[in-house]
Amino acid sequence: AQSVTQPDIHITVSEGASLELRCNYSYGATPYLFWYVQSPGQGLQLLLKYFSGDTLVQGIKGFEAEFKRSQSSFNLRKPSVHWSDAAEYFCAVRQRSSASKIIFGSGTRLSIRP
Amino acid sequence: EPEVTQTPSHQVTQMGQEVILRCVPISNHLYFYWYRQILGQKVEFLVSFYNNEISEKSEIFDDQFSVERPDGSNFTLKIRSTKLEDSAMYFCASSERLAGTDEQFFGPGTRLTVL
Repeated sequence: AQSVTQPDIHITVSEGASLELRCNYSYGATPYLFWYVQSPGQGLQLLLKYFSGDTLVQGIKGFEAEFKRSQSSFNLRKPSVHWSDAAEYFCAVRQRSSASKIIFGSGTRLSIRP
Repeated sequence: EPEVTQTPSHQVTQMGQEVILRCVPISNHLYFYWYRQILGQKVEFLVSFYNNEISEKSEIFDDQFSVERPDGSNFTLKIRSTKLEDSAMYFCASSERLAGTDEQFFGPGTRLTVL
């Protein structure tokens, strides 16, 4: 069955520290891959996406993610977090065929320690 | 910057009542979606809609749910007879095209509370 796993429910990092949020997917073939962020009371904002090509993708707000086919992973990273990065982060996949739905992971809540 | 809007932001209703959640997609978008997120759970796909027809729906989207584009700007989700388990955040999204590479833009959500 198709699935997206985010093993960390809640992560706390200090402001200025580096961040890595983990994401693994289970799919028949490599899907399209996404990271979304949700701030309290806000909708889902797309941080970055991977379709093909360079396996290291850059996104907004200084985030990047690396696709590793051998590990079926798409981990999100940021070298130095800011207090405003505190939010819920969702990894998501979308089938490369015509299917329109996005399948989301369960999310990782990021807290920033001053 | 164009954005998807949703009203109301919070809806409280009694079990068995009908609710209509409203969305205004981005104006040049042609594909529309509803997702929901039960508190503490993942975001789940409900339905996609194009050219006044449902394109795809999940097993969650049973006969008590319906979608409609009543005019050129609104896209609605109707729940005919609400149940306690319908309490969730409902997100509307829209995209220009159906292609997997096309971004879906999400609204801020409507929190539905069924008492």
